[in-house]
Order: sequence, then C-alpha cells, then structure tokens
Amino acid sequence: GAVVSQHPSWVICKSGTSVKIECRSLDFQATTMFWYRQFPKQSLMLMATSNEGSKATYEQGVEKDKFLINHASLTLSTLTVTSAHPEDSSFYICSARTPNNRESYVNEQFFGPGTRLTVL
Amino acid sequence: RKEVEQDPGPFNVPEGATVAFNCTYSNSASQSFFWYRQDCRKEPKLLMSVYSSGNEDGRFTAQLNRASQYISLLIRDSKLSDSATYLCVVNPASGGSYIPTFGRGTSLIVHP
Repeated sequence: GAVVSQHPSWVICKSGTSVKIECRSLDFQATTMFWYRQFPKQSLMLMATSNEGSKATYEQGVEKDKFLINHASLTLSTLTVTSAHPEDSSFYICSARTPNNRESYVNEQFFGPGTRLTVL
Repeated sequence: RKEVEQDPGPFNVPEGATVAFNCTYSNSASQSFFWYRQDCRKEPKLLMSVYSSGNEDGRFTAQLNRASQYISLLIRDSKLSDSATYLCVVNPASGGSYIPTFGRGTSLIVHP
C-alpha cells in the first residue's frame, strides 16, 4: 500500500486554544488530501478537500475560518482547529490519494492513523 | 436517495460462516469502487478494490453490478478477527478532482 502519517495521534487541550494536526504522505506525492471527522459510532464525515497550492474546498456546514487547512507541499497538509470547544472533540482523520503515475495502488485513498482530539 | 447506502447491521455470524454485504450507489457515472475495513477507534484501511470483472483475495470476494448500481463483499469462512465495520467507497469519476463518497458502514460481529 501507501503510507500516510498523522501527528499528533491524540491531543487534550483547553477550550479556546488552537490545535494543529499534520498529515503526511510518506512514500508518494499527494496533490489531494482529504480531512474527515468521525464522532463515536457515526460514519466518516468529509470536512474538506485539500489541494496542494490552492485553497481547500470545504463541505457544507464546515466553517473554513474555524478549520484552517494548509496544503503547502505535495506531502504535507495541516488542519488547524482554531479556538477549539468541547463540541469539536472528535476523531480527525486525513487521507491522501495516490497519483496516476504510481506502479501500484493508483488513485486509491490511504488514511492516516487519526488524531483523537479532546477539548476540555 | 443517499449517494451511497449500506445496511448498518450489525451482522452477527458464527465463526466459519459466509456473510455478504451490499452497497448501493446513486451516481451512475461512478468509476471506481473500494471496500475499506475500520476497526473500533482506528482509521479505515483499504481492504480491496472492486473491478468490473470481480476481485477475489483469499476469503474475500468483491463484485460490481453496474446495471443495478451496487457492489458486494463476500466473506467466506469468517474469523473472529473479521469483526469490524466495512465501508464501501464510491468515486464519481476517475482522475480529476473527484471526491470519494463513503457509506455509513456495515458492522460485522463474528462470534465463537
């Protein structure tokens, strides 16, 4: 497969602070990465599509000023939860899509291990 | 109709049983399909791609029915370790900036 890392794996913070989550594709370049959120016993919810070198595309209902996404390179996208509140506590997962020019696993989606955010 | 629909289950089966899940999709232009497995509190992991000709990997068989717009996953000789949530993923078009759509997942519980 392909490897996607995510950091940190878990974070606990006080209400009002900002939290940055990093998503890296380790063995391939990803022009597109996706950010998801998953609440307990619920399905994955796509938050935004992150495109390298351009602005992210946010899904309806997701505040772009609250969830800042930066895809500065072909291997790194970051999600910053600004002024986090307890209702932002969730499991945040990124994924990266493999490129067309790969030998195997072309145009498939691989996930990072997720970041569990708890806001007190 | 939701874009991608799955029976949430849970499917509760004994070890050794054969179990099948279906996933229907509404966009007839969908090009590629995948099954992912998600364990509790873990990220989804790619299980297998679904090709038009069908795809078999050991005890797992995935099939695509374009006419009826569904994909299926068959698990033979179920193991306890197969207990997980199985997510189907549908991509609307190959290449470009498509956005994959996930089903809600089907929960499988394999018991002794």
